[in-house]
Amino acid sequence: EVQLLESGGGLVQPGGSLRLSCVASEFTFSNYAMSWVRQAPGKGLEWVSGIGGSGGSTFYADSVKGRFTISRDNSKNTLYLQMNSLRAEDTAVYYCARRDSYYRAFDYWGQGTLVTVSS
Amino acid sequence: EIVLTQSPGTLSLSPGERATLSCRASQSVSSSYLAWYQHKPGQAPRPLIYGASSRATGIPDRFSGSGSGTDFTLTISRLEPEDFAVYYCQLFGTSWYTFGQGTKLEIK
Repeated sequence: EVQLLESGGGLVQPGGSLRLSCVASEFTFSNYAMSWVRQAPGKGLEWVSGIGGSGGSTFYADSVKGRFTISRDNSKNTLYLQMNSLRAEDTAVYYCARRDSYYRAFDYWGQGTLVTVSS
Repeated sequence: EIVLTQSPGTLSLSPGERATLSCRASQSVSSSYLAWYQHKPGQAPRPLIYGASSRATGIPDRFSGSGSGTDFTLTISRLEPEDFAVYYCQLFGTSWYTFGQGTKLEIK
């Protein structure tokens, strides 16, 4: 069964940095685009960033553009999100999600990792 | 930028009743890229509907999706206790995604 396992969340001060990882298993990782989606406390889902299967194309929400960098290592079946210049409003559970090839929807999700930005 | 507006914000119903959730786009969109998800606290979001009307793998047939253009609907024909959750519609665009703000389906 497809599995996505996030890690790297934690408590960080405003202005700090954090790198999230998502290890994928039971599918050919390089064949799929991937994304990060977050949910702030008491809020809805927000798409954060996406990357193509080869890693050659990347996309960002305006709220994180210039601060976050998405990348992937297909040899390690791992997706990353480098988060710099963190703000209180970046506090959220971060999910990695696999994009279905046909419908462009997210067909598998990880359980999420919590990022808390606070002094 | 296309905005998805879901209504109602909260829907209070009893098990066995029919639920109708709405998702309206600020301009006409391709139904091929309209999806619905169910989200429960502490769990990963669960895909329900792809392409506006195709059920995801393992989704019971009491869930159905419909619509085109700017108006889309998720219908749950007979609510089961496990169906009470928050529901989101989502749209894929040229290079970005947007979610609706969600509808909370609560037990009356």
